[in-house]
Amino acid sequence: DAKTTQPPSMDCAEGRAANLPCNHSTISGNEYVYWYRQIHSQGPQYIIHGLKNNETNEMASLIITEDRKSSTLILPHATLRDTAVYYCIVRVARRQLTFGSGTQLTVLP
Amino acid sequence: ETGVTQTPRHLVMGMTNKKSLKCEQHLGHNAMYWYKQSAKKPLELMFVYSLEERVENNSVPSRFSPECPNSSHLFLHLHTLQPEDSALYLCASSQDERGGHGNQPQHFGDGTRLSCL
Repeated sequence: DAKTTQPPSMDCAEGRAANLPCNHSTISGNEYVYWYRQIHSQGPQYIIHGLKNNETNEMASLIITEDRKSSTLILPHATLRDTAVYYCIVRVARRQLTFGSGTQLTVLP
Repeated sequence: ETGVTQTPRHLVMGMTNKKSLKCEQHLGHNAMYWYKQSAKKPLELMFVYSLEERVENNSVPSRFSPECPNSSHLFLHLHTLQPEDSALYLCASSQDERGGHGNQPQHFGDGTRLSCL
């Protein structure tokens, strides 16, 4: 089963890009990388997912290394409302998302 | 995003009570899930319904009983709960493929905060 490793916390200045790293060195060839975030007292919010190509949507960009052993979530212009716990997930079982401890991102004014 | 709606948002239960949690999704998905999130623990998958058939149950105690009358609604019936059942109960939905091998993301509601006395 693929396991992910993320730093426990990061700070980012408001208006700057937030770059959140994730290591998933045991990922297998058909496993996707998903990113979610959870703001206190709310359910997890889906952000983006990808297999091997870089992906971009209205919320963020996902950069996956060529060997697929790590990825970076980029929030291009962080705001105070982006303060949350960010989870990098490689789905380890059919239909099941396994959330680790995530990265607490704090956006500072 | 409010594509997945859960009610109630908060619930306090005594050990002899019977209550139900409700989840409704407006995303046109065909799979729904119940997760439990306890303090300082990762999310735990409880139940999956895909194409209205329950396809997984991860050894959850029988005091939790799911019901999925159609692809848009999901219930979790609760009875004689224990203090350790206090947690945030999250519902999610996704567009599943036959055999469960799709990669579509799951979308979550904001959960029901359950306190068991």
